[in-house]
Amino acid sequence: NAGVTQTPKFQVLKTGQSMTLQCAQDMNHEYMSWYRQDPGMGLRLIHYSVGAGITDQGEVPNGYNVSRSTTEDFPLRLLSAAPSQTSVYFCASSPLPGTGELFFGEGSRLTVL
Amino acid sequence: TQLLEQSPQFLSIQEGENLTVYCNSSSVFSSLQWYRQEPGEGPVLLVTVVTGGEVKKLKRLTFQFGDARKDSSLHITAAQPGDTGLYLCAEEGAGSYQLTFGKGTKLSVIP
Repeated sequence: NAGVTQTPKFQVLKTGQSMTLQCAQDMNHEYMSWYRQDPGMGLRLIHYSVGAGITDQGEVPNGYNVSRSTTEDFPLRLLSAAPSQTSVYFCASSPLPGTGELFFGEGSRLTVL
Repeated sequence: TQLLEQSPQFLSIQEGENLTVYCNSSSVFSSLQWYRQEPGEGPVLLVTVVTGGEVKKLKRLTFQFGDARKDSSLHITAAQPGDTGLYLCAEEGAGSYQLTFGKGTKLSVIP
């Protein structure tokens, strides 16, 4: 009964380092997305995917890359981390794109020094 | 992108009290979702409202969608400490596949 699994839960990076946040879901959902949550800013959409091989940009895509080679996995890559990317990142999936009904992971807290 | 305004931003009440939080927009919602997020966890979907004037109940939580589909409210009766959390409204523009969230109402229920 895993649902949406995110790893790692915590990560500290130095400015300029790269890393990948992993997201996997076992519900066979076509739609997956990444959000970041910052104090006073709420949840903001970074990238999303409506199916394997298809990705698109959300509200705040700069500095992040995604790919969707399988239905199950949707990794988020930080190419050159900046302090402004310090945040809590959430992956979410949905069986029906367009319904607004998302299943969220538990989050990954990233600190960039 | 539709702007969702939630109020109040913070709310601290005693156990057993009633409360209402609000979600408003200048544009018409196609549908609206309410989520609750507990500390250290991801948001969890509570309800979706679609029809103007719609009222949905989930135990002690009552959700209402405005007749003009530009506002929604969440009323909690006899709040309990387990209701503590961040309450978020969200809306997905028709065909956009992008869910936009309000900034939320942070509720604390004091035993």
